[in-house]
Amino acid sequence: KAGVTQTPRYLIKTRGQQVTLSCSPISGHRSVSWYQQTPGQGLQFLFEYFSETQRNKGNFPGRFSGRQFSNSRSEMNVSTLELGDSALYLCASSLGQGANGYTFGSGTRLTVV
Amino acid sequence: GENVEQHPSTLSVQEGDSAVIKCTYSDSASNYFPWYKQELGKGPQLIIDIRSNVGEKKDQRIAVTLNKTAKHFSLHITETQPEDSAVYFCALSWGGGSEKLVFGKGTKLTVNP
Repeated sequence: KAGVTQTPRYLIKTRGQQVTLSCSPISGHRSVSWYQQTPGQGLQFLFEYFSETQRNKGNFPGRFSGRQFSNSRSEMNVSTLELGDSALYLCASSLGQGANGYTFGSGTRLTVV
Repeated sequence: GENVEQHPSTLSVQEGDSAVIKCTYSDSASNYFPWYKQELGKGPQLIIDIRSNVGEKKDQRIAVTLNKTAKHFSLHITETQPEDSAVYFCALSWGGGSEKLVFGKGTKLTVNP
């Protein structure tokens, strides 16, 4: 059974640019959640999508957005990148039937220069 | 707001010893408490979880205990091995269809051979 796949694994962008990250969940999983991981703030919840609808949203500015497609694959977008956006972005999938353990992907390491 | 305090931030033990990591929380509505292990270059991996109607759960060398009255839960690893070295995160959720997890800041466990 394939795990959660995130692409790309590494990304370097310049301040002011925008970036799109992709996440393919485990087959059959309908919920995809995104987290930002930094040494200072730890793991912080960005948003969760379930059946193409955003079901939960964390406390991040509107520059952070996402979407989910009919096949449950998800993308997140960050516009007008800032140096502080440098982080490991993790995607996790689950069945979406209430609080259950996620399966995380290996993440996308974003560096903003 | 939601908050999970995790201690200690670093823990060094000798191979074969036990390791204990503790997390405290404030929201009594929390009802799901997973623990994740993150190795270098990988995403967090669920190792054990417990729900609020259970006081203790064990899986081989790993156990989790929950004290709802005191609002704390702990991870216990017995007979530690070098491959247990990693960063461990506690987390919690509120169920009710929400997939959002709030994470502790992590504990870096080092098992010395």
